[in-house]
Amino acid sequence: NAGVTQTPKFRVLKTGQSMTLLCAQDMNHEYMYWYRQDPGMGLRLIHYSVGEGTTAKGEVPDGYNVSRLKKQNFLLGLESAAPSQTSVYFCASAVSYNSPLHFGNGTRLTVT
Amino acid sequence: AQSVSQHNHHVILSEAASLELGCNYSYGGTVNLFWYVQYPGQHLQLLLKYFSGDPLVKGIKGFEAEFIKSKFSFNLRKPSVQWSDTAEYFCAAGATLNYGGSQGNLIFGKGTKLSVKP
Repeated sequence: NAGVTQTPKFRVLKTGQSMTLLCAQDMNHEYMYWYRQDPGMGLRLIHYSVGEGTTAKGEVPDGYNVSRLKKQNFLLGLESAAPSQTSVYFCASAVSYNSPLHFGNGTRLTVT
Repeated sequence: AQSVSQHNHHVILSEAASLELGCNYSYGGTVNLFWYVQYPGQHLQLLLKYFSGDPLVKGIKGFEAEFIKSKFSFNLRKPSVQWSDTAEYFCAAGATLNYGGSQGNLIFGKGTKLSVKP
């Protein structure tokens, strides 16, 4: 019962470095999402995908890129990390657009 | 603009007290509504959801929520809280119509932290 798996769990980056966060789901869900969670801000949607090969921008997409080459994987890339991207990142998946989300355990990213 | 508002930032209760957390939404068209809970150090989990039908929905762990269309509200309630209910609670809304995938996402409120004193 893996569900939604995020790697890595923690990461520290220096300003300007790049990295990729991996999200994998084994539930054959069509929809996948990347959120960031910041204190007092709730969850804000970065990018999402409604199926393999598709991606769309969410509320706060700047500074991030995503890819959905395989249905089960949704990658989030930071091209040039900035301190403002220090956050906890959650991946989620869902069967369809109005279905409950299944969340991963999160990735805590610190950019110094 | 679509939005979800949770008016209480932090609620502190003693065990056995009753709980009501407010949630109001602004969303064009009909909506699906959700409450998620995040226990300390964990990811979000679904507490309950409303799609249609009986406006009073029951979820896990004794929680319930009432959809009041005229007030655009979906408040979360529990008659008697326990220390283990200490968590952050998020209300979320999503469109029932899929405009070609352009609205394939939920909008979350900013969350309400609940602290229950033993």
